[in-house]
Amino acid sequence: QKEVEQNSGPLSVPEGAIASLNCTYSDRGSQSFFWYRQYSGKSPELIMSIYSNGDKEDGRFTAQLNKASQYVSLLIRDSQPSDSATYLCAVKRGYGNKLVFGAGTILRVKS
Amino acid sequence: DTEVTQTPKHLVMGMTNKKSLKCEQHMGHRAMYWYKQKAKKPPELMFVYSYEKLSINESVPSRFSPECPNSSLLNLHLHALQPEDSALYLCASSQGVLAGGTNEQYFGPGTRLTVT
Repeated sequence: QKEVEQNSGPLSVPEGAIASLNCTYSDRGSQSFFWYRQYSGKSPELIMSIYSNGDKEDGRFTAQLNKASQYVSLLIRDSQPSDSATYLCAVKRGYGNKLVFGAGTILRVKS
Repeated sequence: DTEVTQTPKHLVMGMTNKKSLKCEQHMGHRAMYWYKQKAKKPPELMFVYSYEKLSINESVPSRFSPECPNSSLLNLHLHALQPEDSALYLCASSQGVLAGGTNEQYFGPGTRLTVT
């Protein structure tokens, strides 16, 4: 079992729809969770972080965390073609701030 | 605009060359990181520096040698690399490394390295 798992996609959604990206993790001791967006040929860009169970909203983005189920998700409302990218889920483990990344989900928003 | 800068943007080197990658952050962060990312793969951690001291080395081959001259600068010295070392090398920084803290990591634009 991989430490952080994501569906590789591609996930295709029409413009204006809600895109739902999911991530599961295996280490129950994980404390912090992050979503990065990476455009082709570019570096990862931090878009959301979440540390407590529940929802966290920032503009069109909502991160959801359920530690009991070891599950974290990212919702993108009113999806735009510019949201088309690879979304990486990252989980922080213990001391040293080591991030473990999932393989990423490719999102395609079609106009 | 990213506040983590990396130079050069692209580097082509032979297997007998010695080169260095440079990273600088302007956010007052005390932790800096080197990651390696192969095509269509997620970033993989190589090294972590905390308060200018090496705190994590993910069993990286000795042909990669990190250096942290001060809390704003991070170098990666390269020597006798192999073609399979060709990748995007990413630098990141965060406020610190304490467990339980937030410590979001912010990435620089990366250096695309090709070893011939």
